[in-house]
Order: sequence, then C-alpha cells, then structure tokens
Amino acid sequence: DAKTTQPPSMDCAEGRAANLPCNHSTISGNEYVYWYRQIHSQGPQYIIHGLKNNETNEMASLIITEDRKSSTLILPHATLRDTAVYYCIVRADWADKLIFGTGTRLQVFP
Amino acid sequence: DAGVIQSPRHEVTEMGQEVTLRCKPISGHDYLFWYRQTMMRGLELLIYFNNNVPIDDSGMPEDRFSAKMPNASFSTLKIQPSEPRDSAVYFCASSFSYGGNQPQHFGDGTRLSIL
Repeated sequence: DAKTTQPPSMDCAEGRAANLPCNHSTISGNEYVYWYRQIHSQGPQYIIHGLKNNETNEMASLIITEDRKSSTLILPHATLRDTAVYYCIVRADWADKLIFGTGTRLQVFP
Repeated sequence: DAGVIQSPRHEVTEMGQEVTLRCKPISGHDYLFWYRQTMMRGLELLIYFNNNVPIDDSGMPEDRFSAKMPNASFSTLKIQPSEPRDSAVYFCASSFSYGGNQPQHFGDGTRLSIL
C-alpha cells in the first residue's frame, strides 16, 4: 500500500470548515483513499472513502486531485465533537489490512 | 443496527493470568479483524477471519496469543499467560466481503492492563 503524509496537527474554529490534507504521491490505480477518525477512548470510526471521484456523505466530503496524488477531507461545519485524530489510509483493492499511520490531530476550538 | 460489540471494555489483571477478549461483529459481515493499539506501535493488525476461518495470523505476536471464531457472531482473543507488555487497547473490526472498497467498522475496544 502507498504511504501517506499528513500534518501532525491542525486547529479549526467551531462552525468553520475543517480541511484536512493528505499526500499519497505513490498511489496506484487500484488503491482507494480511506479516512477514519479516532475520538479519545473510542475505536476508529469510518468516515468516507473514494477511488477517483470526489465523494460526499453525511459526515464529510472527500476531494481527490485529478492525478490522485493528494486528497482533502472536508468537515463542512466543524463542532467540538469533531476533535479527534484523523487517519488517511491508502488501501489496495485486494488488501485485507488497514495500515494506520500517525494521522492528524484536529483540535476544534470554540 | 448495532455496531461491533466488544467486551469487556476494561480489564485489569495480574501477570500470568489468562485473559479473554470477546467480539460480536456486525450481523451479515463475513470478515472479522483483531487489532492492537499501543503508543509505541500504533494500530496493528493481529489476525483476521473470513467465514469463521482464520486467514492471516502473521500479526499475532507470539504463541501466548490465540484467536477463535466458533460462529459468525462471536470471536475471542485469548492471551495465556499474560505479560505486562501485552497492555494495550484491543480492537475488533468487521466488514462485509473483502477488498479495498469495503470499509471495516470498529468496536470501541478493550483496554487491557496487565500488572
């Protein structure tokens, strides 16, 4: 699986959009981009995933660049409950395991 | 629908004791995964099952660890004898089918402390 690079930490004001970047310059054509988050004392929570196209669900939007070498997770209106560690993971179509990196610690402040 | 259910949420026991962690996957999911999370190593996959059959146990740290899945709705991870270095948070996850397009859904974990 391709390696991902994320900033170690970010801040966001409550009510504003949180844009979390991820670089995956060695991604292959059959590899998906996944986002999970982990709120303190809880298990990783699936947020969204995509292959080529941008994706949106009730939690977030995923924007993947045309060359697929980077992506951005967007939380449109961040709340205090969105404070968590966010993991960007690249996973091949045939892959069983998820390989978690160190993620981005997002702090949402009032 | 209920998510992945793990028990107990917390376990504190003395070194040398047997520890059994339990997991109920999401109904209909045919893949079940056991992960361990520590500060030093982050989240790492220990073992996973497909249709109750262990597929890859290469992440199991040593013979003291064993996992079973007697039926589609229940799995256990057992440590015998336990050691202080086994202290970690253990997560169970499940998914429907296989491959990159199927997200894994995690339980809230068991926080294990071995004294």
